[in-house]
Amino acid sequence: GNSVTQMEGPVTLSEEAFLTINCTYTATGYPSLFWYVQYPGEGLQLLLKATKADDKGSNKGFEATYRKETTSFHLEKGSVQVSDSAVYFCALIRAAGTASKLTFGTGTRLQVTL
Amino acid sequence: DAGVTQSPTHLIKTRGQQVTLRCSPKSGHDTVSWYQQALGQGPQFIFQYYEEEERQRGNFPDRFSGHQFPNYSSELNVNALLLGDSALYLCASSPRSINTGELFFGEGSRLTVL
Repeated sequence: GNSVTQMEGPVTLSEEAFLTINCTYTATGYPSLFWYVQYPGEGLQLLLKATKADDKGSNKGFEATYRKETTSFHLEKGSVQVSDSAVYFCALIRAAGTASKLTFGTGTRLQVTL
Repeated sequence: DAGVTQSPTHLIKTRGQQVTLRCSPKSGHDTVSWYQQALGQGPQFIFQYYEEEERQRGNFPDRFSGHQFPNYSSELNVNALLLGDSALYLCASSPRSINTGELFFGEGSRLTVL
């Protein structure tokens, strides 16, 4: 079956530090990949996505590249801010058009301090 | 434009009781999915509704049932509650006609079973 594995948290960084959150996946076919973010007291929201190999998703300074050869979709940001403190979830849909059933990783909590 | 709204936000039940959670999708969305997020875990897919029928189901027992109304709103019902049903229940909506895989989530209903 489909699965997503994320690095365990929490990840604690100082403001302006570089961020990497690792994500690898197992899926048949050609899944679409997503990063969702959950800020304290809020619902999940889409951060970025990539739908095919070598695509790079980007938003709010975050980036992730769909690497089919390593089945990975690592999240990066060059300079984190305190406001980036949240829980980050990597997720996949097995194939486009197969209805929106997301498979999530367990989430990685990021805490950014001054 | 109202996003996805869920009610109630918090509730406490005892083992064996029944609970109903409600969800109104984002305006223009006709598909509703429900997810269960246990503490420290990623969301797990329960089921999805569109055109008032259950279209996909995850690995959840029949104690979990749902309904979708003509106005696209939805309910999640859980019977014979167990302690392990304590979780955050998330509703997500999407437009079936534009299946990009992006889901819009509500803030969730936090259920505690004592």
